[in-house]
Amino acid sequence: GAVVSQHPSWVICKSGTSVKIECRSLDFQATTMFWYRQFPKQSLMLMATSNEGSKATYEQGVEKDKFLINHASLTLSTLTVTSAHPEDSSFYICSGTDRVYGYTFGSGTRLTVV
Amino acid sequence: GNSVTQMEGPVTLSEEAFLTINCTYTATGYPSLFWYVQYPGEGLQLLLKATKADDKGSNKGFEATYRKETTSFHLEKGSVQVSDSAVYFCALTSVLYSSASKIIFGSGTRLSIRP
Repeated sequence: GAVVSQHPSWVICKSGTSVKIECRSLDFQATTMFWYRQFPKQSLMLMATSNEGSKATYEQGVEKDKFLINHASLTLSTLTVTSAHPEDSSFYICSGTDRVYGYTFGSGTRLTVV
Repeated sequence: GNSVTQMEGPVTLSEEAFLTINCTYTATGYPSLFWYVQYPGEGLQLLLKATKADDKGSNKGFEATYRKETTSFHLEKGSVQVSDSAVYFCALTSVLYSSASKIIFGSGTRLSIRP
């Protein structure tokens, strides 16, 4: 079946630095990538939707200049958390979509900003 | 707008007990419905899905039936195991596999099975 490889699985960074999270679709082409954020013991909240080659669409309340999303190819999408602060600490999950495999989720990245 | 409501947890059961996790939804048209499972520290895995009314999704002993008349998609399993301990999310999407359609998740239900 389809796999979305998400890296890193966990990262600790200092406040003020930037962190990049990668999601690669293996064995399929993800025409759309969804990025979610999950706080402890809470549900997944959609942050943005990105289509290959075009700008991401952000959900209301999500700062596009802080959470930079790039979807340069059908197999790679990245989320960069810029100037991270402790309140950005969270679990980030991507989901690649195509018509054959549907929605395939990455394994998630736990970000801790200290 | 579309929304999903599922029973709050945590739910604690003994091994081999019967499980029901309730899920109801609000949506226009004919959404597709899903149950996802999340094991500790991991991402989401699709457990089962149903794309039209009266469809029954099933996998690993879990079942859920798409009930349009009651707008429900309750998850059931006849005999749970310790390995079923996880968080379960009910979800819907209005347009399947389209870039125009996002998945709406319920709040999640934490299930703990004791030996």
